[in-house]
Amino acid sequence: QQKVQQSPESLSVPEGGMASFNCTSSDRNFQYFWWYRQHSGEGPKALMSIFSDGDKKEGRFTAHLNKASLHVSLHIRDSQPSDSALYFCAANTGANTGKLTFGHGTILRVHP
Amino acid sequence: DPKIIQKPKYLVAVTGSEKILICEQYLGHNAMYWYRQSAKKPLEFMFSYSYQKLMDNQTASSRFQPQSSKKNHLDLQITALKPDDSATYFCASSQLGEDTQYFGPGTRLLVL
Repeated sequence: QQKVQQSPESLSVPEGGMASFNCTSSDRNFQYFWWYRQHSGEGPKALMSIFSDGDKKEGRFTAHLNKASLHVSLHIRDSQPSDSALYFCAANTGANTGKLTFGHGTILRVHP
Repeated sequence: DPKIIQKPKYLVAVTGSEKILICEQYLGHNAMYWYRQSAKKPLEFMFSYSYQKLMDNQTASSRFQPQSSKKNHLDLQITALKPDDSATYFCASSQLGEDTQYFGPGTRLLVL
């Protein structure tokens, strides 16, 4: 069973709209979460990390973590065509080996 | 200037051959990692190194051998290549104990 599950698989939003991504972990050892974005032909780039319950806002991006339900979400407001990419949720246990476990990703398309 | 260099960008190999994927990071980080991204699978952690020592190995096959000649280098040697090894291989780095891992642009390997 995949330890980090993401939904939806793909998402299409109009320019200026809100894009929302969900991620659920099945492993309670995961304590630290990241959101990464990958444009076609490039490596993943970290968007945000979130380690504490509640919301964390950075510019147009807001992440939310609920450790009790092991659910983390990402919301992008005022979406732009340049936001079109593959979005990954990643988690680790904090065991200091650096191992990140990734979800399958959500494809976002922002249409004009 | 690119902070993580991976060479080559594309690589075509024949089944049974051996290849070395190069990774250099200029972020001053003390930990480096290899991940693999193949079709229909999430990014998979392979190895982590810190101060040129292996921290974690999640690769089942001994055909994959990381090599660290300098603290900012972590190459990946793959022997007896198989078509299933076809994937994009990403190198990443971080400051151990801190959170975000930074990824390189990847090496896309095709084994025929």
